[in-house]
Amino acid sequence: GIQVEQSPPDLILQEGANSTLRCNFSDSVNNLQWFHQNPWGQLINLFYIPSGTKQNGRLSATTVATERYSLLYISSSQTTDSGVYFCAADNNAGNMLTFGGGTRLMVKP
Amino acid sequence: DTAVSQTPKYLVTQMGNDKSIKCEQNLGHDTMYWYKQDSKKFLKIMFSYNNKELIINETVPNRFSPKSPDKAHLNLHINSLELGDSAVYFCASSRTGAGSAETQYFGPGTRLLVL
Repeated sequence: GIQVEQSPPDLILQEGANSTLRCNFSDSVNNLQWFHQNPWGQLINLFYIPSGTKQNGRLSATTVATERYSLLYISSSQTTDSGVYFCAADNNAGNMLTFGGGTRLMVKP
Repeated sequence: DTAVSQTPKYLVTQMGNDKSIKCEQNLGHDTMYWYKQDSKKFLKIMFSYNNKELIINETVPNRFSPKSPDKAHLNLHINSLELGDSAVYFCASSRTGAGSAETQYFGPGTRLLVL
């Protein structure tokens, strides 16, 4: 099946800083999603982005499908951005997402 | 107006017991899923189900079985619980499933602890 790898595994930022999270995948995808798991464990949809670029407030994402990677940009980070960011992809295996290992983000005030 | 809901939120039980976790979605979606998140936060698909097809991740023990009384519900039954089943179980749903990629929406999770 498809392999999904995320980097960096851990990231500590000062409030106000910008960051880029990376997701590499091993095969072509028909579904790629970014999630934020908050400190209470809730998985929140950020983007559905199998290709192209999307923006939502301080967050934006770009997927370059031909090169098999996706990037999540966080600008002007806030303490509420802390948590784990997951990338998940499917390559026509029944829309069953394969998750990466996550990037654990801590934003310090 | 919770889109995907799960009950119970927490479940503590003894090894060897049989338990169920319920999932309901009010999004009108056709496909529902179960995922398991282990203690290291790693998330893994268990099942994908719609009224036409059940897809099972080959690594899931047959002690786990999904049961769907209707399109809006997909419950997870676990027989003969083992210590290693302790995890957070997430239900999810999407408008369509196999062969057509769609955004998946996740429930709040059920934290299962087997003693």
